Amino acid sequence: KAGVTQTPRYLIKTRGQQVTLSCSPISGHRSVSWYQQTPGQGLQFLFEYFSETQRNKGNFPGRFSGRQFSNSRSEMNVSTLELGDSALYLCASSGRSGGSYNEQFFGPGTRLTVL
Amino acid sequence: AQTVTQSQPEMSVQEAETVTLSCTYDTSESDYYLFWYKQPPSRQMILVIRQEAYKQQNATENRFSVNFQKAAKSFSLKISDSQLGDAAMYFCAYRLFLTGANSKLTFGKGITLSVRP
Repeated sequence: KAGVTQTPRYLIKTRGQQVTLSCSPISGHRSVSWYQQTPGQGLQFLFEYFSETQRNKGNFPGRFSGRQFSNSRSEMNVSTLELGDSALYLCASSGRSGGSYNEQFFGPGTRLTVL
Repeated sequence: AQTVTQSQPEMSVQEAETVTLSCTYDTSESDYYLFWYKQPPSRQMILVIRQEAYKQQNATENRFSVNFQKAAKSFSLKISDSQLGDAAMYFCAYRLFLTGANSKLTFGKGITLSVRP
């Protein structure tokens, strides 16, 4: 089974621009979560999507948004980029196992640099 | 709100020796999962081990085992027979148990483990 894929792997943008990151979950997984990883703040939860609906949201400004498509692929968008948005963005997918979703599989991440 | 604390930012172990990584957490819930994830320099997060809070027996996966103390809200990871490939950043994580999709993980700050040959 193919793992979680994220594109692009690296991205360089300038302040004020917007960016869209993509995540393809493991086949059959319907839950996709996004995390931001920075040296200062560590790993922080952004949001979770399940069956095209946002189920949970972290404490991030409205500039961070996401969506999920009918094939479970997900995108996250960051508008009006700030220097502090430079981070590794990780996507994780999970699927039902024994009645609950208890394990997340992570993608390799997208390294975003904002100049 | 749930919090996860890893107070040791770095640890070092001699190859073939045993090392224990500490983690404490705070929650008012009784049903939850705890995880240890490994993040090598490639940045790929890899699940090392999982513990369900309702299980009293400590989880083990080959050379990896945990010491889960629910009352003390402590969840340490023991790595036996350390290998050079164990060098990585290790994250302790918490997830509330809910049926259906609730995948939010709360992570600790992580600990960098180095293995000396």
